[in-house]
Amino acid sequence: KQEVTQIPAALSVPEGENLVLNCSFTDSAIYNLQWFRQDPGKGLTSLLLIQSSQREQTSGRLNASLDKSSGRSTLYIAASQPGDSATYLCALNAGNMLTFGGGTRLMVKP
Amino acid sequence: GAVVSQHPSWVICKSGTSVKIECRSLDFQATTMFWYRQFPKQSLMLMATSNEGSKATYEQGVEKDKFLINHASLTLSTLTVTSAHPEDSSFYICSARDPQGSKNIQYFGAGTRLSVL
Repeated sequence: KQEVTQIPAALSVPEGENLVLNCSFTDSAIYNLQWFRQDPGKGLTSLLLIQSSQREQTSGRLNASLDKSSGRSTLYIAASQPGDSATYLCALNAGNMLTFGGGTRLMVKP
Repeated sequence: GAVVSQHPSWVICKSGTSVKIECRSLDFQATTMFWYRQFPKQSLMLMATSNEGSKATYEQGVEKDKFLINHASLTLSTLTVTSAHPEDSSFYICSARDPQGSKNIQYFGAGTRLSVL
């Protein structure tokens, strides 16, 4: 059974700092890995999707990497802004279902 | 991109009543939809997989008589919380998979916050 762990559970940084969120998983037999953002009381916003055959994806200030051999993915946020404050979730897609990590609650202080 | 609409976004009900939540794929036909539940400050947990025209597949520990799922068309799945109790208060999110897409992506609704008094 796939297990997905996100570290840290919570993170507080000053505005402008570069930061890395971590996601680890136990089963590398996946179709893709996805990073989501969730604002309080809201649904999910898809940020980046990395296919199993890819190693990274970039969108603006966000860069996500995937290393299946080590069972790890990272989400890099450059020049963080207060508007980046949210919970970030990674999810592994094994075909029939998504398995979510516990999320990292990010607070960017102005 | 594909759009999934979920309704209502927020519902308050009395204990013992039933509540129906709708999940619609607006611009694609979804043979498979998923229902998730999220408790405060916790991650999403899959409740069931809904397949058009057949019975839903429930995850372990989810009562199928409590959470009725109907997927009667290729664009609509409904989740009915029967005889709701305060412990059923949670955030429910649906997603739909676009079978035409090659990326095996799920598209998510905006979620429904259920508060049972």
